[in-house]
Parts: sequence; C-alpha cells; structure tokens
Amino acid sequence: DAGVIQSPRHEVTEMGQEVTLRCKPISGHDYLFWYRQTMMRGLELLIYFNNNVPIDDSGMPEDRFSAKMPNASFSTLKIQPSEPRDSAVYFCASTPVGSTDTQYFGPGTRLTVL
Amino acid sequence: AQSVTQLDSQVPVFEEAPVELRCNYSSSVSVYLFWYVQYPNQGLQLLLKYLSGSTLVKGINGFEAEFNKSQTSFHLRKPSVHISDTAEYFCAVSGANDYKLSFGAGTTVTVRA
Repeated sequence: DAGVIQSPRHEVTEMGQEVTLRCKPISGHDYLFWYRQTMMRGLELLIYFNNNVPIDDSGMPEDRFSAKMPNASFSTLKIQPSEPRDSAVYFCASTPVGSTDTQYFGPGTRLTVL
Repeated sequence: AQSVTQLDSQVPVFEEAPVELRCNYSSSVSVYLFWYVQYPNQGLQLLLKYLSGSTLVKGINGFEAEFNKSQTSFHLRKPSVHISDTAEYFCAVSGANDYKLSFGAGTTVTVRA
C-alpha cells in the first residue's frame, strides 16, 4: 500500500492567497484526520471525518479554514485568505475500518506564508 | 479531555547507551496511550501503543513502554540506541474508543557516536 498521500509536499505563498492542501487516505480507511504542527503549539487536531462526514471541527482555528471530503479517497484543507501565522506543517492521517486506535500519517505539507 | 506532558524536551545520548523518555498523562476516563516517532522531514510513525492488558508494551525497533496507572505515566525505553534512533518522539493519549489524539510537545533524541 502506498500509505497516506499528501500534496503538495511544500507550498510557499503570499499573504492573502488561497491555499489548498490535498490528502488521499489509505484505501479502506474510513476515518481521516487533519493536524497542524508548529513549534509554538505542537501537533493540533484540526478536524476529522468518518465516512466522508465531518465529525469534529472544533480544532479549526477560524473561518478562514475549511475542509471537505467529497469521497472516500480524497480530502482537502483550504485556507482563504492565508496569513503568515498559518505557516506550519499540515499532516493528514487515516484509520482503518473497525479500529479506534492506530492512525497512519502522511508525510505532511510544509506551508510557508510570506 | 485528555492531556499529555513530556518531561524532557531534548535528550542527548551516546550510541549503545540506554534511553528513557518520560510521559505523564491526565484523564478522567480510561485511556489509550501511544508513542510516535518522527524522523526529519517525515510524517509520524507508530512505535507502540497501550490499549489494555499487559502494562509492558513492546514496539518496533527495540522500544518498549510501561503503563503505570497509579503514576499516570507511560515512559518509553530502549536498552541500547543507534545513530538511526535520532528523531523526535511524541507521546499521545486518547480516551478509550475515542478518535481524538492529544499529543505531547515532543522529545528530541540526539544519538552521538
């Protein structure tokens, strides 16, 4: 299995621009998670989905952030407009059907907002 | 809600020496506990997990951890480290059957020859 796939791996953009991060979970996994990692705040859960439905978005920092999962094999995290404080590494993770424990992480997208 | 405190932010260690990374958790409910490793510029990889049963848990790459409910701890150990163990290590907790993981701040392990 290819594992969780994220794209792009690196993104540099200017303040005010829209940014879209993409994630393909492992086939057969029914939970998908988005995390943000920064030096100041560590790893934070932003939102998670079950069977493409958002279950908990309480970690989404503000309305500039939105996430969708149109089907079982694709999710996006969008930031509009982006700000320098959004600079971070964003991870996607997925969990197999019937499992409540192990999350499999993607390699992350390093976002830099200038 | 659950939370985790990793007591050491950086741990330098010589090759072939033992290492222990300390983790304490806080929770009012039964928990699952995890250790993840992050190598430079990579995602997180599960080292080991405690769900229930034996309090001594063995993971990949020779790591093990012991769940201590009375001390609310889940310390990670390896008897002899290699240069390749240089990485950041994260302790994490979730409520049993809860999908939300809370991570500690991480411990950077640097192994020197």
